Amino acid sequence: DTAVSQTPKYLVTQMGNDKSIKCEQNLGHDTMYWYKQDSKKFLKIMFSYNNKELIINETVPNRFSPKSPDKAHLNLHINSLELGDSAVYFCASSPGPGAGGAGANVLTFGAGSRLTVL
Amino acid sequence: GQSLEQPSEVTAVEGAIVQINCTYQTSGFYGLSWYQQHDGGAPTFLSYNALDGLEETGRFSSFLSRSDSYGYLLLQELQMKDSASYFCAVPLSGGYQKVTFGTGTKLQVIP
Repeated sequence: DTAVSQTPKYLVTQMGNDKSIKCEQNLGHDTMYWYKQDSKKFLKIMFSYNNKELIINETVPNRFSPKSPDKAHLNLHINSLELGDSAVYFCASSPGPGAGGAGANVLTFGAGSRLTVL
Repeated sequence: GQSLEQPSEVTAVEGAIVQINCTYQTSGFYGLSWYQQHDGGAPTFLSYNALDGLEETGRFSSFLSRSDSYGYLLLQELQMKDSASYFCAVPLSGGYQKVTFGTGTKLQVIP
């Protein structure tokens, strides 16, 4: 069983389109994240949710809208795609602050979704 | 400001030992983690330090000095499969959930 699964793995689309990436975790974690990794491999945090509530919104354009229907799912919808949105998007989860101890913010990542905007 | 700095590239010989450094600036501290990422793959957790000192996990060890805002990852008996990017990560002052990654160090292991 995949601990953190995200779909689709690859996404190729035209500028101006709208697309979504879905993420699910079966680890029972409280906290979920979206990260963007650009061509220079820099991993940038975008959003963090704890128990379905938005905790971190790291100055991401409002064309990006995350949604967490429950604590096991965190989806990302992107409107009006731009060339600069091309990147690999990683979903991740962690036990969260409620877990306490050393593992609270140890992240488990999904396999990534490579988005190419043409 | 708040940041994490790592060397961008390191090259080492198979069988050798290599150290990857990480310096950080944060107003709060909740621990330093290390992740490995192979090309085309996802980051995977390697090691975590909440307190000063050395944590050993097989061939990999991680060290932390909170007074120096500094840590390192030590890889021993290098193998070709250790060629990957290595990231340090800390939750920055936003709290537990703002896990922020360093700039990454690309390690190339050569025969």
